[in-house]
Amino acid sequence: AQSVTQLDSHVSVSEGTPVLLRCNYSSSYSPSLFWYVQHPNKGLQLLLKYTSAATLVKGINGFEAEFKKSETSFHLTKPSAHMSDAAEYFCVVGGNYQLIWGAGTKLIIKP
Amino acid sequence: DTAVSQTPKYLVTQMGNDKSIKCEQNLGHDTMYWYKQDSKKFLKIMFSYNNKELIINETVPNRFSPKSPDKAHLNLHINSLELGDSAVYFCASSQDLGAGSNYGYTFGSGTRLTVV
Repeated sequence: AQSVTQLDSHVSVSEGTPVLLRCNYSSSYSPSLFWYVQHPNKGLQLLLKYTSAATLVKGINGFEAEFKKSETSFHLTKPSAHMSDAAEYFCVVGGNYQLIWGAGTKLIIKP
Repeated sequence: DTAVSQTPKYLVTQMGNDKSIKCEQNLGHDTMYWYKQDSKKFLKIMFSYNNKELIINETVPNRFSPKSPDKAHLNLHINSLELGDSAVYFCASSQDLGAGSNYGYTFGSGTRLTVV
């Protein structure tokens, strides 16, 4: 069975500093992995996805994630945080005809 | 030209009432889903339909009944609303069942249901 664990419920960074949101997954086969973002009182938007092509995946708004099979991780990074990045971020793994969601990480950006 | 649209965006109603949330997608997708997001932001799948056929029916009270008149629509009807039903409900679609797991979903903007 597939599962996903987001290691931090909250991450706080200063504007202009790097962002790291951590995600570990468990899957019995080569997984599809996703990061979704939800801005306050908004819907869910796909940031990026890994589907067994390049292990370094680039997404929208300067985010990227690296698939590391040996560590079963799919951490999300951004070199320089912007105030508009403040949101809830979800790591997701493709399961049996559905997506399995992490509990979310709230990204707080300090001015 | 919204891809997945839900109505209404906000719904405030009293306990015991019956309400419906409508969802339509114009992407030509075969599969549609309903998710519930609680106050802690946890997302839980409720139902999925593939080409009008029920595929996933998670442990959800019988008061919740999905209806798919055609593959572009998946409506959610809720009977005898309770305080605990207050949440944000998201509709989503994917090209097909396999594509959803492999390539992700397109979500609607959500319906915030408040039961008072």
